[in-house]
Amino acid sequence: RKEVEQDPGPFNVPEGATVAFNCTYSNSASQSFFWYRQDCRKEPKLLMSVYSSGNEDGRFTAQLNRASQYISLLIRDSKLSDSATYLCVVTPPPGAGSYQLTFGKGTKLSVIP
Amino acid sequence: NAGVTQTPKFRVLKTGQSMTLLCAQDMNHEYMYWYRQDPGMGLRLIHYSVGEGTTAKGEVPDGYNVSRLKKQNFLLGLESAAPSQTSVYFCASRDRVEQPQHFGDGTRLSIL
Repeated sequence: RKEVEQDPGPFNVPEGATVAFNCTYSNSASQSFFWYRQDCRKEPKLLMSVYSSGNEDGRFTAQLNRASQYISLLIRDSKLSDSATYLCVVTPPPGAGSYQLTFGKGTKLSVIP
Repeated sequence: NAGVTQTPKFRVLKTGQSMTLLCAQDMNHEYMYWYRQDPGMGLRLIHYSVGEGTTAKGEVPDGYNVSRLKKQNFLLGLESAAPSQTSVYFCASRDRVEQPQHFGDGTRLSIL
């Protein structure tokens, strides 16, 4: 099982739709979880941190399910500007290798007019 | 409020030339990282540093060297550039292991 796995997509959704992505991780002792968005040929930008049971920021909701080892990102009322690649990022548990983060390969979202 | 600044933004090199990419952060972060990203691919860690004067190898370190003489700066060097090193290079920093990374806006490097 890969350390961090994401469905690469693409997810093509109409404006106004609700879309959800999942990300699974292999190490049950992983500490912290993040969602980034990356526009084409641009730097990844932090979208949300997911520290405990989840959090919400406007149209975006992130959830963490430690028992099943996945995090999710829900986007409500999709906008054209939401079109991007969404990266799942996991911090390893304390110890050797904990300084490195593990990036998923990303899920591509296209919001269609 | 600069955050993470990378210089240069673009560069074209000939095979065999050398160059240094500079990453500077003004957030007093301990940890700094260099990644490369090839078209349609994910980020791959080249080298990282957990503090001033320290460096460590990442997933793809061959052909690159790094230095962290000052806490705010992390330099990535290519001693003898090869076409396979054509890529977009991103620098990132963070404060503690449980914190997210903050990225610079990248250096686009082409080697002919």
